[in-house]
Amino acid sequence: KAGVTQTPRYLIKTRGQQVTLSCSPISGHRSVSWYQQTPGQGLQFLFEYFSETQRNKGNFPGRFSGRQFSNSRSEMNVSTLELGDSALYLCASSLVPREGTEAFFGQGTRLTVV
Amino acid sequence: AQSVSQHNHHVILSEAASLELGCNYSYGGTVNLFWYVQYPGQHLQLLLKYFSGDPLVKGIKGFEAEFIKSKFSFNLRKPSVQWSDTAEYFCAVPTGSARQLTFGSGTQLTVLP
Repeated sequence: KAGVTQTPRYLIKTRGQQVTLSCSPISGHRSVSWYQQTPGQGLQFLFEYFSETQRNKGNFPGRFSGRQFSNSRSEMNVSTLELGDSALYLCASSLVPREGTEAFFGQGTRLTVV
Repeated sequence: AQSVSQHNHHVILSEAASLELGCNYSYGGTVNLFWYVQYPGQHLQLLLKYFSGDPLVKGIKGFEAEFIKSKFSFNLRKPSVQWSDTAEYFCAVPTGSARQLTFGSGTQLTVLP
């Protein structure tokens, strides 16, 4: 079956702009989480959605937001981009949001802010 | 909150050498632990996971890890590495409501042919 699909794969944006990233989970998976990966901070949890509701949020400013649609697809939005937002953004999907359930990751969207 | 630490940032080995990557966790209660691998240009994928039971966990591609509660450790091992094992390895633990993963800082493994 198809894996987690993230689009676009690469993005270049200018400071102050906003960006929307998309994630299509594995068919049947209902939980979607987002992570930011940078060389300095490593992998950091952004937020998690299940049944179109945000269930968990990491320690990121309000400029980072997301949503989930009824088909479990998710989007994340970053407004007023800053240079420090340059990162690889990873989406992970799980069958159900239960502890220990394996999270399957997409290849990520590489965002560069100039 | 639970956390994990990986002290080896970069490990360089020759093919056929044995591998052990360290992972220590901070929480003393019930612990679930994961090892993920990220090959160059590829997505993160699960190597193995520990929930309970046998502390020696076997994963894919010949990897195994041992959960040692007394040492708060979950080290990843492989008896003989291959060039194709070159990748970044992450230890992770569920935290918060258990629906998020907290990752270690990662260990970059380079295997020389």
